[in-house]
Amino acid sequence: QVQLQESGPRLVKPSGTLSLTCAVSGGSISSSNWWSWIRQPPGKGLEWIGEIYHSGSTNYNPSLKSRVTISVDKSKNQFSLNLSSVTAADTAVYYCARTGDPGYFDCWGQGTLVTVSS
Amino acid sequence: QLVLTQSPSASASLGASVKLTCTLSSGHSSYAIAWHQQQPEKGPRYLMKLNSDGSHSKGDGIPDRFSGSSSGAERYLTISSLQSEDEADYYCQTWGTGKVFGGGTKLTVL
Repeated sequence: QVQLQESGPRLVKPSGTLSLTCAVSGGSISSSNWWSWIRQPPGKGLEWIGEIYHSGSTNYNPSLKSRVTISVDKSKNQFSLNLSSVTAADTAVYYCARTGDPGYFDCWGQGTLVTVSS
Repeated sequence: QLVLTQSPSASASLGASVKLTCTLSSGHSSYAIAWHQQQPEKGPRYLMKLNSDGSHSKGDGIPDRFSGSSSGAERYLTISSLQSEDEADYYCQTWGTGKVFGGGTKLTVL
């Protein structure tokens, strides 16, 4: 059974870069799945950030595209999120998820709260 | 534009049934969706994928009390024999050029 675990700094300064990693266990990141990042500001709904395939192909939410980079490390069976030029509006719980064919999230990480504050 | 619309809140009594609705935007009535449950202070959990014809496939361990159905642009999640642990936020989600979530429905079990 695939499990996902997010990790990374919980506090990021404004104008800095938010960096998170999602470790995949119980399965291979090189399977025929896409791997996504999703976030949820406190008290609000879910927002898809973007996704990556093990080949390195990516798709991003147009509203965040200019600030987002998602990468994959097959040797470590993990993928990562970088979000640059952060502001308080980027404070959220960040989730990683596996995207089942053809496009629904069928496995979620537990999430990690990242706060943007000086 | 692909948009999913959900009522912000719903309520039903313990042991009763409730039907939650997710409406696809105009021109997208053939799209499949997924339903996700988010219990308080927890991450989301995948419940099921629901097709336009009402056929659905549930995630591992999802009880039979959870079922899905479709009519036109509307997608439904029915929860029967409501239990206290069903009190949660329920999100629908679909996919096109990107991935889209509805705003979520907060279900209160009375």
